[in-house]
Amino acid sequence: NAGVTQTPKFRILKIGQSMTLQCTQDMNHNYMYWYRQDPGMGLKLIYYSVGAGITDKGEVPNGYNVSRSTTEDFPLRLELAAPSQTSVYFCASSYGSGGLETQYFGPGTRLLVL
Amino acid sequence: ILNVEQSPQSLHVQEGDSTNFTCSFPSSNFYALHWYRWETAKSPEALFVMTLNGDEKKKGRISATLNTKEGYSYLYIKGSQPEDSATYLCAFLSNDYKLSFGAGTTVTVRA
Repeated sequence: NAGVTQTPKFRILKIGQSMTLQCTQDMNHNYMYWYRQDPGMGLKLIYYSVGAGITDKGEVPNGYNVSRSTTEDFPLRLELAAPSQTSVYFCASSYGSGGLETQYFGPGTRLLVL
Repeated sequence: ILNVEQSPQSLHVQEGDSTNFTCSFPSSNFYALHWYRWETAKSPEALFVMTLNGDEKKKGRISATLNTKEGYSYLYIKGSQPEDSATYLCAFLSNDYKLSFGAGTTVTVRA
């Protein structure tokens, strides 16, 4: 199993550009998550999904959109990139719904908005 | 937003020494506490999930304790080795299933 994969690994965007961060998991997990990690801060939840077709906002959803058309994929869309979105983005997945299950993280996407 | 704090932010340990650090979280609405280990240039990996007051978990030289009444968890590393160098994250899960991560404690083990 590849686990959780993310692409790209690194990207530079200009202000106002859009892009999609890709996330795929091959563990048949129901739950998927997008986090951002800023220096000196904990992981902040952007969006999450409890299954195909179902998504919900996390702690910091503004400026982002997600979709979940399949169990495997959970792309994160930035429509109008802003410098405040410079961060490292992590996708994660877990099997169960109770929150006790381990989250498996992808390797991260480093995004720089200039 | 739930306040989860980890201290210290970073620490340096001599190889062979033991160390410990803290995760503080709200003592109300507790459901579970996760500990993750995050090596540089890698993804966070799960260490423990703790649910009961007084819980103690152990994995090799790393162990953790939990006090839900006062809202803290300690992570211990016994006989630190260079491969223990990483950032250790805790994540508090409330009973309405909101998961909040701390900023982490970065451990550097000097040979």
